[in-house]
Amino acid sequence: NFILTQPHSVSESPGKTVTISCTRSSGYIGNNYVHWYQQRPGSAPTTLIYDDDQRPSGVPDRFSGSIDRSSNSASLTISGLRPEDEADYYCQSYDNRNPWVFGGGTKLTVI
Amino acid sequence: EVHLVESGTGLAQPGGSLRLSCAASGFTFSSFEMNWVRQAPGKGLEWVSYISGSGNSIFYADSVKGRFTISRDNAKNSLFLQMNSLRVEDTAVYYCARVRRTSGSYFVGDWGQGTQVTVSS
Repeated sequence: NFILTQPHSVSESPGKTVTISCTRSSGYIGNNYVHWYQQRPGSAPTTLIYDDDQRPSGVPDRFSGSIDRSSNSASLTISGLRPEDEADYYCQSYDNRNPWVFGGGTKLTVI
Repeated sequence: EVHLVESGTGLAQPGGSLRLSCAASGFTFSSFEMNWVRQAPGKGLEWVSYISGSGNSIFYADSVKGRFTISRDNAKNSLFLQMNSLRVEDTAVYYCARVRRTSGSYFVGDWGQGTQVTVSS
């Protein structure tokens, strides 16, 4: 089984850019797409990024996803930070033996 | 618009049972795979169970295998989770989640608002 490791928390100021990483413990990150979910305090998750870098309709282009094969990790980048971006962010991926694997989540604080 | 509404919020004793339901609307329910995903207090997301559109393919997380049963009634646009032999560690918010597939992948495209399950003596 593989795990997805995310930083427990990150913080940044409004208007700045922040990047959240998601590192795959085993297996090649490029073999299976990575998806990202946002969960605001007290709310259900919503889908933010799918297939590494695709945004569902309605998600602002301030949110972007990418893959770094050299570090076997995926990243979520949020630019032009706003107070409402303060939330927990989860990455998710899969393989043939583990159909649904979530990262532990990263708490973003906009200070 | 897709709507997923869970019900079955409850308190159960360890060893007890609960049945969760999810009412789906706004899409052709039988055409979509569904998941249950849970979140323990202060913790992250944990996948619980998957069911195909027809109900013929089912998978469970190891943590619930043999105790939980996922099912669906496509005529009633409903998803269910029968939870038996409940443990304190099953305490969580349970989300009904619609699976979306792309050409090379699958992920959760839509989430319900969640329903609270508490297991305590």
